[in-house]
Amino acid sequence: KAGVTQTPRYLIKTRGQQVTLSCSPISGHRSVSWYQQTPGQGLQFLFEYFSETQRNKGNFPGRFSGRQFSNSRSEMNVSTLELGDSALYLCASSNGQGSSYEQYFGPGTRLTVT
Amino acid sequence: AQSVAQPEDQVNVAEGNPLTVKCTYSVSGNPYLFWYVQYPNRGLQFLLKYITGDNLVKGSYGFEAEFNKSQTSFHLKKPSALVSDSALYFCAVANFGNEKLTFGTGTRLTIIP
Repeated sequence: KAGVTQTPRYLIKTRGQQVTLSCSPISGHRSVSWYQQTPGQGLQFLFEYFSETQRNKGNFPGRFSGRQFSNSRSEMNVSTLELGDSALYLCASSNGQGSSYEQYFGPGTRLTVT
Repeated sequence: AQSVAQPEDQVNVAEGNPLTVKCTYSVSGNPYLFWYVQYPNRGLQFLLKYITGDNLVKGSYGFEAEFNKSQTSFHLKKPSALVSDSALYFCAVANFGNEKLTFGTGTRLTIIP
């Protein structure tokens, strides 16, 4: 099976702009979660989608949003970018049948905000 | 609220020696515990998990972890370290019915040849 793919792998944006990141889960997986990784804050949960519905949400401002399509692919959007949004954004997929199932992570999208 | 602590930012081990990376957790109810490894410029790779059953869990690449309920710990171990084990290791906890993983701050493991 192909793994989790994320596009683009690298992105440079200017403060105030918006950005959309894409994630394709492993075939058959219906749950997609997003995480932000920074040196200062570590790995933080953003949100999780299952069957096109947001099922869990972390403690991030409303500038961070996401969605999931009928084929389970997911996108996350960050509006009005701030310098502090520079991070590695990781997407993970699982079969969504419960938290006992491991999540499989993509390689991440490295976002740099200047 | 659930949380994970990895008390050591850095662990150095000589090649061939046993290694331990420590993790303690806090969660209401029964914990689901995971170890992930991250290599430079890569995403996280699943190593092993504890859900229920035997306290000693075996995973990928010769790693194992011991669940200790009384000490709320889930330490990662390997009997003989390889240079290729050098990476960043994350412990994570989840709760029943919630896909959200809460990660520790990570431990950088360096295996010295």
